[in-house]
Formats: sequence, C-alpha cells, structure tokens
Amino acid sequence: QVQLVQSGSELKKPGASVKISCKTSGYSFTRYAMNWVRQAPGQGLEWMGWINPKSEKATYAQGFTGRFAVSVDTSVTTAFLQISSLKPEDTAVYYCASWGYDILTGYYVDYWGQGTLVSVSS
Amino acid sequence: DIVLTQSPGTLSLSPGERATLSCRASQSVSSSYLVWYQQKPGQAPRLLIYGASSRASGVPDRFSGSGSGTDFTLTISRLEPEDFAVYYCQQYGSSLWTFGQGTKVEIK
Repeated sequence: QVQLVQSGSELKKPGASVKISCKTSGYSFTRYAMNWVRQAPGQGLEWMGWINPKSEKATYAQGFTGRFAVSVDTSVTTAFLQISSLKPEDTAVYYCASWGYDILTGYYVDYWGQGTLVSVSS
Repeated sequence: DIVLTQSPGTLSLSPGERATLSCRASQSVSSSYLVWYQQKPGQAPRLLIYGASSRASGVPDRFSGSGSGTDFTLTISRLEPEDFAVYYCQQYGSSLWTFGQGTKVEIK
C-alpha cells in the first residue's frame, strides 16, 4: 500500500523558516519525481516544483525560487520542503505528490500526501 | 510558461445533469501530459483523467476527457451527488507543470 505521510501543522512567525517532511512507503521512491503543490486558503492548486530523487536535481516554478528548497533523503525514502524568510502570504496547505508515467509499465501513477498546513502570523 | 484557463469558474447544475468543463492552454500541450483532478474540501486532489482521455483506476465511466492541442474538455455525463467538487486541469511542458485555476461544480 502506497503511503505519503507528511509532518504536522506548523505555526510560524514572519521571517522564520519551516521544513516539511514527506515520508513515503509502498513504492520505489527513486522511480518517480516528487512534486510539491501549494494551496492557499480558499484558492486553487499551485505547482511549486519537483525533484528527481535519483539525481537530486530540483526544478522550481516561477515564484518559487530563492526562499524555497526541495530535497530528498533516499536512505529513508523521505522528501523535504524548506521555506525560509516566511511571509504571511505563505500561509497555505502544502502537499507532496508523486505522479507520472511508469516507464516500465506505461501506467500513470499518482500518489499524494495528506497535506501540511503552514500558518504564518505575528 | 504555458497558462491553462478553465471555464466556467463555477457551474451550477442539478444531479442527473451533464457537466462540461473546459481547459484552454496558451500554447499547444502534449495530450500525454494533460491531466484532470477532482478536489473536495479538506482532501487532497484525486486523479480522474490522464493523457487527456484515459480514466484513472476506479474512476466511474460517467467521467470522460477529450481534446488536443490547446482545447481540452472534461465531461461528467450525469452528475451524482458526490461529483459536486472543484475540478482542475494540469499540464506538463518544458520540465514544468501548471494547473488551471479550477472550475467549481455546485448544486443548483
């Protein structure tokens, strides 16, 4: 059974940093890219970026460069999202998600974490 | 970057009616990487359609996807109570993914 289990909610002050974890199990961690998606309260989904767990190369969407960093620890099949210099507008639910075509089977896979709420307020 | 524009923003329909959701891209998109999601409040998105027209595992056949190039459509043939939700299209190109802004299907 595939599981992506994210760390719990965070309440932070502006200017602080936060690191969210996404612990995976039940599938080959290095086979698919790991994506991060942001959803501000009452808003739509925003793709933030992805990381290739094998090469550890990350690609970021416009608007998510500089303060945002994604990483992986393949020894514990876990992905991380770190956000520095937090702003109130970073308040959102952050999802990790792994999706894409399995090059061996041709099937499309799609796995999501449960989301982590990050609240930024003074 | 490719921009996806979904219309309408909100669709007010009754159970049993047909829903037609549009997703238009600012430039041509590979159909292999055009995806539709459903999201209900407090839940992670659920994959409905991938490759523009292939239903994901467990998705009822009242959901269908079509289109190519810059124009894609998600159709729900007969709305069930559990189908009232927000729907997003998503595409991949030049190493980047983007989502549309979403269409809310609400009960009329």
